[in-house]
Amino acid sequence: AQKITQTQPGMFVQEKEAVTLDCTYDTSDQSYGLFWYKQPSSGEMIFLIYQGSYDEQNATEGRYSLNFQKARKSANLVISASQLGDSAMYFCAMREGKRGSNQFYFGTGTSLTVIP
Amino acid sequence: GAGVSQTPSNKVTEKGKYVELRCDPISGHTALYWYRQSLGQGPEFLIYFQGTGAADDSGLPNDRFFAVRPEGSVSTLKIQRTERGDSAVYLCASSPPDEETQYFGPGTRLLVL
Repeated sequence: AQKITQTQPGMFVQEKEAVTLDCTYDTSDQSYGLFWYKQPSSGEMIFLIYQGSYDEQNATEGRYSLNFQKARKSANLVISASQLGDSAMYFCAMREGKRGSNQFYFGTGTSLTVIP
Repeated sequence: GAGVSQTPSNKVTEKGKYVELRCDPISGHTALYWYRQSLGQGPEFLIYFQGTGAADDSGLPNDRFFAVRPEGSVSTLKIQRTERGDSAVYLCASSPPDEETQYFGPGTRLLVL
């Protein structure tokens, strides 16, 4: 089974609108971490946001928020007020096991295009 | 400050040749990771260093792949007898002590002809 599933290969959003990128994960560990990365066409992976499995509040970082639904094992990324510069690939990732574990798994990514 | 750097940015080689890919992590970062990203896929874990030692090399696909980090800073990923299937982007990432956010380099695009 896939550890991280991103079911949206491509998404379009109008500039200034909000968009949700889906991510579900699979683990039997109680302790894990969830990450979102942005990969522009230049190729460099840029860290966006992190959610720990024991965090009760949804993580937020500026225009990014993570909609964490533990029972559903989903960790969707919400980007508010989309900008043209948000056009990129977005990867969901999971660190399985307790903090300090090096078992990281990435999804296949979602390509986001922001339309002017 | 300087981010993670990787050299070369692009490498074209012939099947059967040996290649070395270099990663310079952010100064002070103790953890270093290598990933391989094939076209249309997410990064796939290869190897993890904590300091100088390879703490986990379970992601290396076979014994043609080897990585070192002799002084706990710069790391080199070595691929022997390259095959066309090794063509991918090889990403390096580093993390500071007590932090698990990984900071990625721009990657090396390897093409094996």
